[in-house]
Amino acid sequence: EPEVTQTPSHQVTQMGQEVILRCVPISNHLYFYWYRQILGQKVEFLVSFYNNEISEKSEIFDDQFSVERPDGSNFTLKIRSTKLEDSAMYFCAGRRQATYEQYFGPGTRLTVT
Amino acid sequence: AQSVTQPDIHITVSEGASLELRCNYSYGATPYLFWYVQSPGQGLQLLLKYFSGDTLVQGIKGFEAEFKRSQSSFNLRKPSVHWSDAAEYFCAVGTNTGGFKTIFGAGTRLFVKA
Repeated sequence: EPEVTQTPSHQVTQMGQEVILRCVPISNHLYFYWYRQILGQKVEFLVSFYNNEISEKSEIFDDQFSVERPDGSNFTLKIRSTKLEDSAMYFCAGRRQATYEQYFGPGTRLTVT
Repeated sequence: AQSVTQPDIHITVSEGASLELRCNYSYGATPYLFWYVQSPGQGLQLLLKYFSGDTLVQGIKGFEAEFKRSQSSFNLRKPSVHWSDAAEYFCAVGTNTGGFKTIFGAGTRLFVKA
């Protein structure tokens, strides 16, 4: 069964550095999402992406964040200048057209030191 | 605004006992409801979902949930808990805005004692 994959599984970076988190969604998915989960807290919506555009973004998704689907397969989340509070697990998700179920990847744990 | 409330931060049950995890949602339209399970350090696994039809839905690992529109609830149940069920459980609602984002509750951590 196809799965969403994410790389790396764990990323450690210094404050102020740029990071790119990568996701490979399931091939027939058309809607893509990023969520984050700070340790011990709930999963929070960051952004949704469809047809190469952001559909919706949360208050968390400020100018330091960006998403793109550069080559039709990868879906990336970039944080330009990381802060300590960006430390979290980041989940990618995707869904097919006309369905409501999102398929989540295993997550990337980002640690900002 | 859409929201999901899980009133129990943690619950402890004995192995073999029954389990019910509570979930209440706030959403103006027909809700699309989910339960996910997360083991420590792991990703999110979908247990079950409700979109329409029969209000009692069956999921994986012997779990079921019942949608009650009048109570805005979607409680998760299991008749007999196994030690391997110890994990964090998240109730979630899918919205029909923003390309259908998912809003999660704060989670309930389940402890299972022998």
